[in-house]
Amino acid sequence: DTGVSQNPRHKITKRGQNVTFRCDPISEHNRLYWYRQTLGQGPEFLTYFQNEAQLEKSRLLSDRFSAERPKGSFSTLEIQRTEQGDSAMYLCASSGRGIQETQYFGPGTRLLVL
Amino acid sequence: AQSVTQLGSHVSVSEGALVLLRCNYSSSVPPYLFWYVQYPNQGLQLLLKYTSAATLVKGINGFEAEFKKSETSFHLTKPSAHMSDAAEYFCAVIPSNDYKLSFGAGTTVTVRA
Repeated sequence: DTGVSQNPRHKITKRGQNVTFRCDPISEHNRLYWYRQTLGQGPEFLTYFQNEAQLEKSRLLSDRFSAERPKGSFSTLEIQRTEQGDSAMYLCASSGRGIQETQYFGPGTRLLVL
Repeated sequence: AQSVTQLGSHVSVSEGALVLLRCNYSSSVPPYLFWYVQYPNQGLQLLLKYTSAATLVKGINGFEAEFKKSETSFHLTKPSAHMSDAAEYFCAVIPSNDYKLSFGAGTTVTVRA
């Protein structure tokens, strides 16, 4: 069990650029979650996948954000036309099939938009 | 909607002293409750979780938490703080009919030598 991995760990970009983050969940987990954490706050839910199906998107996920999970394995989160307000830590988590199963978090991708 | 309140954004304790972090939740049905710890520039690590079994839950690193339905609380304690306990701690809930975590704002713990 290698845990949840995320790449890159850090990303600095200029306002208006597009960025893409990747999450590799624990191999046997079919549920995958994205959360966003701003400084001094707890993580906030962004979106959720069960296998390859995206089942819920938060209102925090504007039209500039898109997430995919092709083949139900890794997931990508893309932000188009980044804004300074997008600066945050983006966390990925995965869990098994049962409801309320423990979500295991990756190390996060810290995004800074200049 | 679920809400989680962590009382005190910052707690400072002496090494060897009791650590007490407070968490209250609002829920119309008993939720599932979690405590996570986050070290600087890292992701979240599960300390313990309550899933309607025993009300006193033991976790890793000597931490434990007690679920009190009448008080809608799930406070985290550790009898004797260690320097390695310095981190940020998050209380989180999942309603019994949901799957996404709702987090409190977090409590930063510093440990004085």
